[in-house]
Amino acid sequence: EAGVAQSPRYKIIEKRQSVAFWCNPISGHATLYWYQQILGQGPKLLIQFQNNGVVDDSQLPKDRFSAERLKGVDSTLKIQPAKLEDSAVYLCASSAQTSGWGDTQYFGPGTRLTVL
Amino acid sequence: GQNIDQPTEMTATEGAIVQINCTYQTSGFNGLFWYQQHAGEAPTFLSYNVLDGLEEKGRFSSFLSRSKGYSYLLLKELQMKDSASYLCAVRDHMLTFGGGTRLMVKP
Repeated sequence: EAGVAQSPRYKIIEKRQSVAFWCNPISGHATLYWYQQILGQGPKLLIQFQNNGVVDDSQLPKDRFSAERLKGVDSTLKIQPAKLEDSAVYLCASSAQTSGWGDTQYFGPGTRLTVL
Repeated sequence: GQNIDQPTEMTATEGAIVQINCTYQTSGFNGLFWYQQHAGEAPTFLSYNVLDGLEEKGRFSSFLSRSKGYSYLLLKELQMKDSASYLCAVRDHMLTFGGGTRLMVKP
């Protein structure tokens, strides 16, 4: 069974530029999550989708971050414009159960973003 | 609010046993997870506890006391490859992670 796929793996941009990350979850997984992990810290949930609907985006900085999951499968996370403090690893995860309370979350390899 | 505490770093010797503690204060509780994360890699699932007691899985065991807001991860027969960060995460309506414990296993 293929795992969670993410691209790109690495991205370097200058502040005020825009960037987008892509995630393809495990086949059949209804729930998809985006996390931000700053170096030396645990992952912090940014947004949770169940199919193509948003379940929780309370910790998403909506003035600059946006995410979508239009067909209920893959998802994109965008930052526009980027700030220095956005430098982090962006992890995508998915879980099988439609409740969103879900069972185990499986993580992709992440995208390491550096903002200069 | 959510508050999850675990030690920042621990060091242990190959072949030994190490216990990584996690204490939590959360508004709700629907299970506690432990994940392993090697440097530069994604977190991988280790264990899940929702009822009090010990769950054993090979060299790894995890314990939960809901009344005390406490869990630990026990690693036996340590190997060099166990050097990683170990993340405690509590689920209520979402999964909240602690800062992680970086474990260094020395020969």
